Amino acid sequence: EVQLVESGGGLVQPGRSLRLSCAASGFMFGEYGMYWVRQAPGKGLEWVSYLSWNSVNIGYADSVKGRFTISRDNAKNSLYLQMNSLRTEDTAFYHCAKRAGSDYYFDYWGQGTLVTVSS
Amino acid sequence: EIVLTQSPGTLSFSPGERATLSCRASQSVSSTYLAWYQQKPGQAPRLLIYGASNRATGIPDRFSGSGSGADFTLTISRLEPEDFAVYYCQHYGSSLPITFGQGTRLEIK
Repeated sequence: EVQLVESGGGLVQPGRSLRLSCAASGFMFGEYGMYWVRQAPGKGLEWVSYLSWNSVNIGYADSVKGRFTISRDNAKNSLYLQMNSLRTEDTAFYHCAKRAGSDYYFDYWGQGTLVTVSS
Repeated sequence: EIVLTQSPGTLSFSPGERATLSCRASQSVSSTYLAWYQQKPGQAPRLLIYGASNRATGIPDRFSGSGSGADFTLTISRLEPEDFAVYYCQHYGSSLPITFGQGTRLEIK
């Protein structure tokens, strides 16, 4: 069974940093691209970042470019999101999601971890 | 960047009825790159449809997707109580970025 479990969320002040983790199991993690998608409380879905299986192809939404960094450790079956210079508008549940084969849709999602940016 | 519009924001139906949800793209897109997700309160989204009309693994056949060009539809043939949720369409293209519609909430009448 595919499982994606996010951690690392919490309350942080504007301008500070936070690092999220996603622990994957139930599939060959090192063979799939992975994503971060966020959802502000009560709002819709927003794609944040993508990282290919070999860390060669990377993408960021304009809203986080230059502030967030995605990375992975295939030996540890883990995906990360380093979030710097956080803003109040970054407050959201952050989900990791697995790429479905060769297409850019998501076949499995984690439950998410809540990041609250507030003074 | 493709903008997806889902309207209306909320639809009200009774169990057993047929529901049709709309997703309109800001320009013509390949149907290969259109997906639908279901999200229930407190849960992660679940993939329903990919490639506009292909059901994901384990999705009941009462869910179907259709459409082409800029207009796409998710149809639920006979609503079950567990189908009342929020539904999102997604365009994923052959490259990034990925975009979502703002969602349609399906509520019990």
